[in-house]
Amino acid sequence: EADIYQTPRYLVIGTGKKITLECSQTMGHDKMYWYQQDPGMELHLIHYSYGVNSTEKGDLSSESTVSRIRTEHFPLTLESARPSHTSQYLCASSLAGGLVEQFFGPGTRLTVL
Amino acid sequence: TQLLEQSPQFLSIQEGENLTVYCNSSSVFSSLQWYRQEPGEGPVLLVTVVTGGEVKKLKRLTFQFGDARKDSSLHITAAQTGDTGLYLCAGAGGYSSASKIIFGSGTRLSIRP
Repeated sequence: EADIYQTPRYLVIGTGKKITLECSQTMGHDKMYWYQQDPGMELHLIHYSYGVNSTEKGDLSSESTVSRIRTEHFPLTLESARPSHTSQYLCASSLAGGLVEQFFGPGTRLTVL
Repeated sequence: TQLLEQSPQFLSIQEGENLTVYCNSSSVFSSLQWYRQEPGEGPVLLVTVVTGGEVKKLKRLTFQFGDARKDSSLHITAAQTGDTGLYLCAGAGGYSSASKIIFGSGTRLSIRP
C-alpha cells in the first residue's frame, strides 16, 4: 500500500476563498506531482517537483501554486477559488528516473460554489 | 506533442466475457505503463512494458507493447466485476528523470454481473 496521503478528501467551499490542499509522502521520493482529473476522465499534470525547492508547471495551465520546502510535503494552494476549479486533485510521488511507478494519493474532491 | 489515445472510451460487458482495450500514439515511447483507477481512489500501477513486442501476463490480464513502441493493448480474459474501473496507459518519451510522462485519455470499463 502506498504511503502517500492527501487532506482533505472532500472540500466544499465558496467562491473567493483561499484553500490549500495537503499532500505528504513517507517514501522519501524526490519527484512529486499534482494532477487535475474530472470524474472518470484523463489526468492532466498541473505541477511537478524534482526535489526540495524545485517546482515546475505541468501541461495544463492552472491558477494554483505549489511549494516544496520539505521532501515529504507538496501542498497546492488556490488563492481565490472559483467554480471552474471544481475537480478532483490527485497527488503522486515517484523515484527519480524515466518511467518509474507513480504512487497516487486518494485525491481531494473540490467543489467551489 | 506526444498524445496517447485510448479506445474504446467506454466499455460495458457481461461477467465472463473477454475484452481488449487499446492505447495508441503516433510517437515512440521508451516504455509504457498501465494503471487502474477505482472510483474515489488514485490510480494504481498494473504493469510496465519496456521492450518492443513484449508481452506480460498478470493473472487474467495480458499486456502487449507494440513492436514499434507506439502502441499497447490490454486483454482481459473472463472479466469479473472486480475488473470494473478506469484503465489508463502512460508513456515516457525517454529514460532520464526529466522525461515527460504522458497519460492516455482512459477507458472506463464496467463489468455487469
